[in-house]
Amino acid sequence: QKEVEQDPGPLSVPEGAIVSLNCTYSNSAFQYFMWYRQYSRKGPELLMYTYSSGNKEDGRFTAQVDKSSKYISLFIRDSQPSDSATYLCAMNEGAQKLVFGQGTRLTINP
Amino acid sequence: ETGVTQSPTHLIKTRGQQVTLRCSSQSGHNTVSWYQQALGQGPQFIFQYYREEENGRGNFPPRFSGLQFPNYSSELNVNALELDDSALYLCASSSGITGYEQYFGPGTRLTVT
Repeated sequence: QKEVEQDPGPLSVPEGAIVSLNCTYSNSAFQYFMWYRQYSRKGPELLMYTYSSGNKEDGRFTAQVDKSSKYISLFIRDSQPSDSATYLCAMNEGAQKLVFGQGTRLTINP
Repeated sequence: ETGVTQSPTHLIKTRGQQVTLRCSSQSGHNTVSWYQQALGQGPQFIFQYYREEENGRGNFPPRFSGLQFPNYSSELNVNALELDDSALYLCASSSGITGYEQYFGPGTRLTVT
């Protein structure tokens, strides 16, 4: 079993829709939870990070962490074609390595 | 503020050869981590360097080695290349060793034939 599971998609939604991306994990020592966006053939771009459980909002993006369920989510409101990318969740125990999910490929259709 | 840069962009090597990839960290960052990303997969941690010393390593064989220089730039060396080493190699920089806020470069795409 992988430490971090993420549905690879692909996920295709119309412009303006609310998008929900999710990851589950097995390691209860994870404390920091990140979401990265990666455009084709580019490096991952850090979108948001959250420490422990709770919600964090940044513009159209909201990250949620539920440590009791070992489940994290990223919501994108009013989705735009420019949001089309692969979204990677990543987690960390507070040192050294990030552990990534497989990534979800998202397409926003105009 | 200068972001993370990597060179070269693309590289084609033959099985059994050796390769060196380079990374310059973001201004103000003293920690560099290297990741391997196979096609359609998330990045896998190779190792991290902090103050010129290796500070943690993932499940990669010893033929993957690295260096960090006094200016915090870094190199990843891979010996005896195998076909499965074909991937996007990503460098990420951060401040300190907690590692959770890492900023990635554009990557080097390595193809082994």
